[in-house]
Amino acid sequence: EPEVTQTPSHQVTQMGQEVILRCVPISNHLYFYWYRQILGQKVEFLVSFYNNEISEKSEIFDDQFSVERPDGSNFTLKIRSTKLEDSAMYFCASRRGQPQHFGDGTRLSIL
Amino acid sequence: GEDVEQSLFLSVREGDSSVINCTYTDSSSTYLYWYKQEPGAGLQLLTYIFSNMDMKQDQRLTVLLNKKDKHLSLRIADTQTGDSAIYFCAESIGDTASKLTFGTGTRLQVTL
Repeated sequence: EPEVTQTPSHQVTQMGQEVILRCVPISNHLYFYWYRQILGQKVEFLVSFYNNEISEKSEIFDDQFSVERPDGSNFTLKIRSTKLEDSAMYFCASRRGQPQHFGDGTRLSIL
Repeated sequence: GEDVEQSLFLSVREGDSSVINCTYTDSSSTYLYWYKQEPGAGLQLLTYIFSNMDMKQDQRLTVLLNKKDKHLSLRIADTQTGDSAIYFCAESIGDTASKLTFGTGTRLQVTL
């Protein structure tokens, strides 16, 4: 069965550095999402992407965040200047109809 | 705005049924979902229900939706130790590019 794949599984970065989290959604899917989960908390929506543009973003998704779909397969989340509070598990999801299919996540640790 | 609430913890004995409850506030929810998360792992979709349905059954899982009370439940029959995990309910509203709003998660502990 096709899966959403995310790389790396764990990323350790110094505060202030840029980080790019990568996702390969399921190939015929049209809607793409990023969520994050701070340790011990619930999953929070960051951004949705459709037809090569952001369709919705949350308050968390400020100017430090950006998303791209640079080719037909990858979907990336970039954090320009990481802060300690960006430490979390980041999940990518995609769908064509319903439901959303999630990747296994990237654990981002900011030192 | 959307808000989804769950009780934090549930403990059941192996072989018993588990019922995990969820309440949501937005009456225009179109789909409601249950995801399972094991420690350090990703989100595994268990089942989902369209808002015009009352019930959905899938093997050991039964989802009940009371739209009037905005209440969703997940029943796991014959609960096993492998069912120990955190269970999240989530709602989506509308269809186009609809985000998911997750509940706080219920930790299910299965004891022998």
